[in-house]
Amino acid sequence: QVTLRESGPALVRPTQTLTLTCTFSGFSLTTSGMCVSWIRQPPGKALEWLALIGWDDDKYYKTSLKTRLTLSKDTSKNQVVLTMTNMDPVDTATYYCARMAGWRAPFDIWGQGTMVTVSS
Amino acid sequence: EIVLTQSPGTLSLSPGERATLSCRASQSVSSNYLAWYQQKPGQAPRLLIYAASSRATGIPDRFSGSGSWTDFTLTISRLEPEDFAVYYCHQYGSSPPRTFGQGTKVEIK
Repeated sequence: QVTLRESGPALVRPTQTLTLTCTFSGFSLTTSGMCVSWIRQPPGKALEWLALIGWDDDKYYKTSLKTRLTLSKDTSKNQVVLTMTNMDPVDTATYYCARMAGWRAPFDIWGQGTMVTVSS
Repeated sequence: EIVLTQSPGTLSLSPGERATLSCRASQSVSSNYLAWYQQKPGQAPRLLIYAASSRATGIPDRFSGSGSWTDFTLTISRLEPEDFAVYYCHQYGSSPPRTFGQGTKVEIK
């Protein structure tokens, strides 16, 4: 059974750096084609794709956020870590990680999401 | 970046009725790599349809997808009470960025 779970702080101060961890099971990021993406959703708004990391360690970021986002993976722990610098109240959202079972594949399994509020 | 525009924004229907949701892309979606997701309040999205018309595992056959190139449709043949939710389309055919539509809410009339 494939599962993903996001973890990280619920509250972040403006200008701080957010670090979120996606811990998964039931698949491996060493398997050719496997990818994990991060997606966020501000309260009452639409989904927004943020970043993607592949089995080959290729990384892609949303263009407008590229300077603020960093992805890394730890295959021994089955984890993907997303950091976002210089947090702002507009970054308040539920952050999801999701699996892609191929480079060109939909998000077939999602984590339950973690709500992050940016406020002083 | 491919922009996806969903219509209508809200669809007010009664249980048993047919729902037709539209997703239009600003440019052709490669190999029909278009997916649909259902999201209920407080829950993560759930994959319904991929490759424009293939149902994901466990999805009832009242959900169907169609379309190609820039115009795609999600149809729910007969709405069940549990189908009232927000639906998003998503394209994954191009190199990143991957994009979502803004969503269509299907509400009880």
